[in-house]
Amino acid sequence: GNSVTQMEGPVTLSEEAFLTINCTYTATGYPSLFWYVQYPGEGLQLLLKATKADDKGSNKGFEATYRKETTSFHLEKGSVQVSDSAVYFCALSLSNTGNQFYFGTGTSLTVIP
Amino acid sequence: DAGVIQSPRHEVTEMGQEVTLRCKPISGHDYLFWYRQTMMRGLELLIYFNNNVPIDDSGMPEDRFSAKMPNASFSTLKIQPSEPRDSAVYFCASTPGRQLNTGELFFGEGSRLTVL
Repeated sequence: GNSVTQMEGPVTLSEEAFLTINCTYTATGYPSLFWYVQYPGEGLQLLLKATKADDKGSNKGFEATYRKETTSFHLEKGSVQVSDSAVYFCALSLSNTGNQFYFGTGTSLTVIP
Repeated sequence: DAGVIQSPRHEVTEMGQEVTLRCKPISGHDYLFWYRQTMMRGLELLIYFNNNVPIDDSGMPEDRFSAKMPNASFSTLKIQPSEPRDSAVYFCASTPGRQLNTGELFFGEGSRLTVL
């Protein structure tokens, strides 16, 4: 089947620390991969995406590389800020499933000053 | 442009009452999704529509839940009768069909439901 597995949270980091949130996937086809972010009290919004192997998505200092060989799409940021505190969701989309998106369970990040 | 609009933002009701959540997708988006978010289960897809037609409702928990999309600009999710375990945040999202597979979902701000 199709699924996304991401690391358990919560994650607590000090400001300017390095962030990695692991994400692996299983898919019956060739998916597009996404990271969504949910700030407190808000809906999910797209953070970055990659549509083919070896593509790197990036936005707001966050990066993730589509690794087909390891079926992974790990999220990284070199120096986190307090404003990055949010819940991060890894997701995949397959065009052969009628546009169904598969989300991971989310990883809560808290950045302390 | 306006994003996905949901109402109400917060709803507190008593067990057994009917609850109706509403969603207005972004104009021109022909796919609409209803998700439920809880601490225990994360984000669950309940149902999605394409051109106002329900395509997959296998995520709807039980017969107490129903969803409709009478036109391209409006959808409802109804729970009747409501139970305390239905307490969750319900999100509506939309996307254009032309962005299948490579596109993003555009989420509303959610409706937080509390059933006492």
